[in-house]
Amino acid sequence: DTGVSQNPRHKITKRGQNVTFRCDPISEHNRLYWYRQTLGQGPEFLTYFQNEAQLEKSRLLSDRFSAERPKGSFSTLEIQRTEQGDSAMYLCASSFEQSTYEQYFGPGTRLTVT
Amino acid sequence: AQKVTQAQTEISVVEKEDVTLDCVYETRDTTYYLFWYKQPPSGELVFLIRRNSFDEQNEISGRYSWNFQKSTSSFNFTITASQVVDSAVYFCALSDLGVYGNNRLAFGKGNQVVVIP
Repeated sequence: DTGVSQNPRHKITKRGQNVTFRCDPISEHNRLYWYRQTLGQGPEFLTYFQNEAQLEKSRLLSDRFSAERPKGSFSTLEIQRTEQGDSAMYLCASSFEQSTYEQYFGPGTRLTVT
Repeated sequence: AQKVTQAQTEISVVEKEDVTLDCVYETRDTTYYLFWYKQPPSGELVFLIRRNSFDEQNEISGRYSWNFQKSTSSFNFTITASQVVDSAVYFCALSDLGVYGNNRLAFGKGNQVVVIP
């Protein structure tokens, strides 16, 4: 049983560029979450998918952010026109709907915007 | 709104000592879950324990134990006989069922635990 995987692990980009991250959840998990973690802080919820439907978005998710989960499998998170304030660790987690509600996290994608 | 407070920022202990991490939470929900996660230097959050709001029984799992007190909204976590491999950031988290039953997590700021050999 493989865990949650995320790619790339690190991304350095220049301000104004677009970036896209990918998350592959645990195969039987139908719930998928994105969180953002800045230095010295706990993760903050960004968005949630149940199967292919994006059911909730945090106010942290500005118009420059978009997430998709086609076919209810992997998910992508795109940030357009990146800003230095977007520099953070982006974490993906998945869980099984009928489970006891714990979420399993991937290793994260560390974004640095220069 | 959900809120989790972990007052201590960094805790240093000598190997084999016990370490207790404090967590205080706020929620208006009657049904919720509490979690502790570990984040080692590699960065991946590792699930440790879970407790639901209906069960205040305190348990021990290996070297981990937890004390859930609903009356004081606290969910404290203890590592017994600490080891160097326990050095990490520990996060307390709270979830509710949300409108869509999505149990999004609200995390505290974390406790940096340093175990000195």
